[in-house]
Amino acid sequence: AQKVTQAQTEISVVEKEDVTLDCVYETRDTTYYLFWYKQPPSGELVFLIRRNSFDEQNEISGRYSWNFQKSTSSFNFTITASQVVDSAVYFCALSNQRRSQGNLIFGKGTKLSVKP
Amino acid sequence: EAQVTQNPRYLITVTGKKLTVTCSQNMNHEYMSWYRQDPGLGLRQIYYSMNVEVTDKGDVPEGYKVSRKEKRNFPLILESPSPNQTSLYFCASSLDRYTSYEQYFGPGTRLTVT
Repeated sequence: AQKVTQAQTEISVVEKEDVTLDCVYETRDTTYYLFWYKQPPSGELVFLIRRNSFDEQNEISGRYSWNFQKSTSSFNFTITASQVVDSAVYFCALSNQRRSQGNLIFGKGTKLSVKP
Repeated sequence: EAQVTQNPRYLITVTGKKLTVTCSQNMNHEYMSWYRQDPGLGLRQIYYSMNVEVTDKGDVPEGYKVSRKEKRNFPLILESPSPNQTSLYFCASSLDRYTSYEQYFGPGTRLTVT
């Protein structure tokens, strides 16, 4: 069975703090894809990153970075020097090509509040 | 601009009154799907379509219908809405069903059934 667990339901930080959002996944497949989406208070889903299972290199994009570790089945997301605009719900998601539905399996999300 | 559009964005209706939420994409994507988002449950897939006239059930299809008569459109139909269908609905599309490709999401439709 495929599953994504985001154990942190809510996190609150003060601006400029670093924060890490945890994502643990379960899958039996060797080929799979991991995603992070951001959902700001306005409600839309914003794509942040896609990573395939063969690429364990960490990724950095500005203040955002992602740490993919197959050994622990984790795909964690770190925001450095957080800002109020980072306040949102963040979803981690999993997919694989064998799943005929082609859908994303989402975690339940982590609500991040960044206070000034 | 590449986008997925949904209408309406907000809808309040009463139990049993048939409604349709439209979804349209301008990227010539083959794959489209509908998700619902509920507090504490994340997003769950309702229906999906791999191409014109090809649709199938997702994880939570009960109470919903879809159709795919044109590649760009994928409406979600609630023939007899009930309060447990109060939710935030997202339409998504991608190049094909192999979700190695990014799924593009619409802006969401917030539905309240009283």
